[in-house]
Amino acid sequence: DAGVIQSPRHEVTEMGQEVTLRCKPISGHNSLFWYRQTMMRGLELLIYFNNNVPIDDSGMPEDRFSAKMPNASFSTLKIQPSEPRDSAVYFCASTRGTVGELFFGEGSRLTVL
Amino acid sequence: DAKTTQPNSMESNEEEPVHLPCNHSTISGTDYIHWYRQLPSQGPEYVIHGLTSNVNNRMASLAIAEDRKSSTLILHRATLRDAAVYYCILDSSYKLIFGSGTRLLVRP
Repeated sequence: DAGVIQSPRHEVTEMGQEVTLRCKPISGHNSLFWYRQTMMRGLELLIYFNNNVPIDDSGMPEDRFSAKMPNASFSTLKIQPSEPRDSAVYFCASTRGTVGELFFGEGSRLTVL
Repeated sequence: DAKTTQPNSMESNEEEPVHLPCNHSTISGTDYIHWYRQLPSQGPEYVIHGLTSNVNNRMASLAIAEDRKSSTLILHRATLRDAAVYYCILDSSYKLIFGSGTRLLVRP
């Protein structure tokens, strides 16, 4: 299996621009998580999907952030408009069931200038 | 969410055993104890998890105290590739909430 696939691996953009991060979970996994990691705040859980339905988005920082999972093999995290404080590494993770062994992607490093 | 407490950093010599402690005094009866590690520039990686009994796998062993208020991750022979941040996490429902972890330095 290819593992969790995230794209892009690196993104540099200017403040105010829209950013879309993509994630392909492992086939057969029905739970998907988006995390954000910064030096200051560590790893933060942003949103959790189960069977393509958002179950808990309490970690989404503000309305500028939105996430979708249109089908079992694809999810997006969108930031519009982006701000410098959104600079971070964004990780997608998936698992079968609720929580067992969570498989993380390699992350998308976002820099907002 | 129940919290965990880990030392900020630990050091070990290569090929020696490492015992990484974690305190979780407010753990509930249904919380699983998970350990993940994060190598530099990579996403977190599952290491091991358990509920009450000690657990072993190819990567490590997990020793859980009888009262479950603490646990220890044991790396039997540390290698340079084991240098990473190790996270002890309690699984409350579906959420894995990562703390600051323990940064393990392995000396050659």
